[in-house]
Amino acid sequence: GENVEQHPSTLSVQEGDSAVIKCTYSDSASNYFPWYKQELGKRPQLIIDIRSNVGEKKDQRIAVTLNKTAKHFSLHITETQPEDSAVYFCAASKRNTDKLIFGTGTRLQVFP
Amino acid sequence: NAGVTQTPKFQVLKTGQSMTLQCAQDMNHEYMSWYRQDPGMGLRLIHYSVGAGITDQGEVPNGYNVSRSTTEDFPLRLLSAAPSQTSVYFCASSKGTGLDEQYFGPGTRLTVT
Repeated sequence: GENVEQHPSTLSVQEGDSAVIKCTYSDSASNYFPWYKQELGKRPQLIIDIRSNVGEKKDQRIAVTLNKTAKHFSLHITETQPEDSAVYFCAASKRNTDKLIFGTGTRLQVFP
Repeated sequence: NAGVTQTPKFQVLKTGQSMTLQCAQDMNHEYMSWYRQDPGMGLRLIHYSVGAGITDQGEVPNGYNVSRSTTEDFPLRLLSAAPSQTSVYFCASSKGTGLDEQYFGPGTRLTVT
C-alpha cells in the first residue's frame, strides 16, 4: 500500500537559517501533497499544499517542491523564527481515493 | 463559527469498557474523518465519511465504529477498549473531499488501563 517516509525526525536550526524537510511516497498515482504544522499541545493546521500538476508553490517564507519522477516532495522554510518551532507532517493522497497517508513527522526547533 | 469541536478532552477507560468520542462541525462540511496520533507514527486514518449516511474504513479501523446521521456530527465508538487504543484522537472535516484542507478538532486524549 501507500507509504510516506519523512526525514529528518528532528531538526534544530538557528534563527534566520533555512530548514528543509523531505518526504518520499511510494504510489506514483498520488496527486495531492499537503503539509501540516502542529504546535505543542495543539491541533494540526494546514500550512501549504501542492497538487501533482505543479512543481513548486510558495507562500511567503514557506515553499514546497515536488519531484514526481523521484516521488519526493520537500518543505522549505526560509528565515526561520522561534514561532516556526513545531512538528511538521507531510501527507500524500492514496491512489484512487481521497484518503491521506501521513508521514511520521519532523520536530523542528528554532533557537534564538 | 466554533469550527470542529470534540468532547471529551480527556478520558480514562478500563479495558473492556465502551465509549463514544463526540465530534461536531458547524461549517457545513461534507467530509469528516477520525485520526489517531501515536508518538513516532504520525496521524493514521481510522474511519471517514463523505456525507450523511456514508462511512468507510481508513487504515486502522479495527475496534472502532462510526455513523453519520447528520452533516454536523460524526461520533467514534470504541466497542471494547484495549490498552493499544491509548492515543490522541483527532476529528477533522473538509469542505469537499479528503483532498481539500482538513480542519482538525482540538483532540481527545484517551488512556486505556
